[in-house]
Amino acid sequence: GQNIDQPTEMTATEGAIVQINCTYQTSGFNGLFWYQQHAGEAPTFLSYNVLDGLEEKGRFSSFLSRSKGYSYLLLKELQMKDSASYLCAVMTTDSWGKLQFGAGTQVVVTP
Amino acid sequence: SAVISQKPSRDICQRGTSLTIQCQVDSQVTMMFWYRQQPGQSLTLIATANQGSEATYESGFVIDKFPISRPNLTFSTLTVSNMSPEDSSIYLCSVEGTSGTDTQYFGPGTRLTVL
Repeated sequence: GQNIDQPTEMTATEGAIVQINCTYQTSGFNGLFWYQQHAGEAPTFLSYNVLDGLEEKGRFSSFLSRSKGYSYLLLKELQMKDSASYLCAVMTTDSWGKLQFGAGTQVVVTP
Repeated sequence: SAVISQKPSRDICQRGTSLTIQCQVDSQVTMMFWYRQQPGQSLTLIATANQGSEATYESGFVIDKFPISRPNLTFSTLTVSNMSPEDSSIYLCSVEGTSGTDTQYFGPGTRLTVL
């Protein structure tokens, strides 16, 4: 079956760095996505990885290792507004276009 | 990215009734999807809305309960039929991006409460 795991919650202080890990076991792989979701709002696209390596976008970076079934989202210089749920999602080759989501990681940024 | 709107943004409904949710996109897209997010949970795909043919449903979801229409490449509806309190959820439509990266963008969601 399909399995996407990420930690339930992480707490960090303003200005710090937090790394959210995501491991997956899926039938085929066609890309991994990270979304940010603030309470009561829709998910917002953050990043997409389909090849191994690091993708950097400002304060956010995402890494992928396909051989290990592993990704992480790195949030640098944390701000209070980064308090949100971060969702890892995988697109598999046998379900083109469809995303399978992990349960989400709630990040709490403290002053 | 596409601009996606949903109507209604929220509703409170009585048990046994039905609600139709609309999703409108500002550009033509091939793939449209409907997701459900139950309280405190992550997103679960309900179905893929196919233009000109029947929707493709995921395991655990059936057409009688969640009929979907897709009359053109910019619009889709999802109906939640014969509602029960267990259907209380946020319903989101999503569309593929146009950048060729298979990225999906989400509408603002419809928050449904069933009494």
